[in-house]
Amino acid sequence: KQEVTQIPAALSVPEGENLVLNCSFTDSAIYNLQWFRQDPGKGLTSLLLIQSSQREQTSGRLNASLDKSSGRSTLYIAASQPGDSATYLCAAPSSNTGKLIFGQGTTLQVKP
Amino acid sequence: GAVVSQHPSRVICKSGTSVKIECRSLDFQATTMFWYRQFPKQSLMLMATSNEGSKATYEQGVEKDKFLINHASLTLSTLTVTSAHPEDSSFYICSASRGSNTGELFFGEGSRLTVL
Repeated sequence: KQEVTQIPAALSVPEGENLVLNCSFTDSAIYNLQWFRQDPGKGLTSLLLIQSSQREQTSGRLNASLDKSSGRSTLYIAASQPGDSATYLCAAPSSNTGKLIFGQGTTLQVKP
Repeated sequence: GAVVSQHPSRVICKSGTSVKIECRSLDFQATTMFWYRQFPKQSLMLMATSNEGSKATYEQGVEKDKFLINHASLTLSTLTVTSAHPEDSSFYICSASRGSNTGELFFGEGSRLTVL
């Protein structure tokens, strides 16, 4: 059974800092892992999708890494901005059902 | 590309009435759509999986007679909350897969349901 855990649950940083959000998963037989952003009261915006054959993906100031052997993924945000304030969710599929399992999310606040 | 739209974004209804939420894939054909429920400050919980032209598969603990899902076309799935009660108040989000080998899912904007 796939379980996804995100640490920390909340994070507050001053503007300009580089930061790392962590995601761990128990079922390492995944074919991909996806990172999302959710603003309050809104749906999910896909940030990065990492295939199992990849070790990382980059989009602008975001970089996501995947280490299947250790069951971990990290989302690195460079030079954080107040507009980055949101909840970040990682999700990994269950290998036996294919259903996407979400972590509890990390709520990020970037203070000006 | 890969835009998923939900409607309505907010709905308030009286207890006992039924509410329909639509989920549309605007620029691709969605072989599979998923419906999630999200309580405040919690993560998404999968309610059901729907495939075009077939009955939805519900997760354990989700009442299929309460939450009716119809996936009538490759671009539209609907969730109907029947005889709504205050405890059904929640944020409902749909997602769609276009069947690519990446397995990537695209999410709608969500629908906030408040039952009085």
